[in-house]
Amino acid sequence: KQEVTQIPAALSVPEGENLVLNCSFTDSAIYNLQWFRQDPGKGLTSLLLIQSSQREQTSGRLNASLDKSSGRSTLYIAASQPGDSATYLCAVVGGAQKLVFGQGTRLTINP
Amino acid sequence: DTGVSQNPRHKITKRGQNVTFRCDPISEHNRLYWYRQTLGQGPEFLTYFQNEAQLEKSRLLSDRFSAERPKGSFSTLEIQRTEQGDSAMYLCASSLGRNTGGQETQYFGPGTRLLVL
Repeated sequence: KQEVTQIPAALSVPEGENLVLNCSFTDSAIYNLQWFRQDPGKGLTSLLLIQSSQREQTSGRLNASLDKSSGRSTLYIAASQPGDSATYLCAVVGGAQKLVFGQGTRLTINP
Repeated sequence: DTGVSQNPRHKITKRGQNVTFRCDPISEHNRLYWYRQTLGQGPEFLTYFQNEAQLEKSRLLSDRFSAERPKGSFSTLEIQRTEQGDSAMYLCASSLGRNTGGQETQYFGPGTRLLVL
């Protein structure tokens, strides 16, 4: 059974810092990995999708990496802003079509 | 707005009542998914449809839960005889459904928040 873990559960940093969020998964047989953002009480917004054959994806100040063999992904956020405050979720897709999510990292960027 | 829509956004009900939620996917998206999210946790998969066919159901989907997508467009999720443990955010997502390799982005709706008293 695939299990996804995100560390840390919560993170608070001052504005302007670069930061890294971590995601690990137990079964390396995945098709892709997605990073999502969720604002309080809202749905999920897709940030980046990394195919299993790729090692990283970039979108603006976000960069996500994938190491399938070690079962790890990182989300790098450059020059953090207060508007980046949210919960960040990673999820993997395996043999079935379903996403298996981690429990999320609650990020707070302090002005 | 051409995103995934869900109705209602909030639902408060008494234990034992039946509730039904609706999801309208992005047009032309063939796959539709339902997830449930409890406070402080990531979403958990419930079921998914390819067009009108329900292809997988999680064991989380007890006999009290039923989902339909009769014409391959919108979907409904019904919970019968609700229990307090059913209180959660119910999320719907859709994807194109043209790639069998799971290599598609799933787009999520805003969710329906259910509170069972």
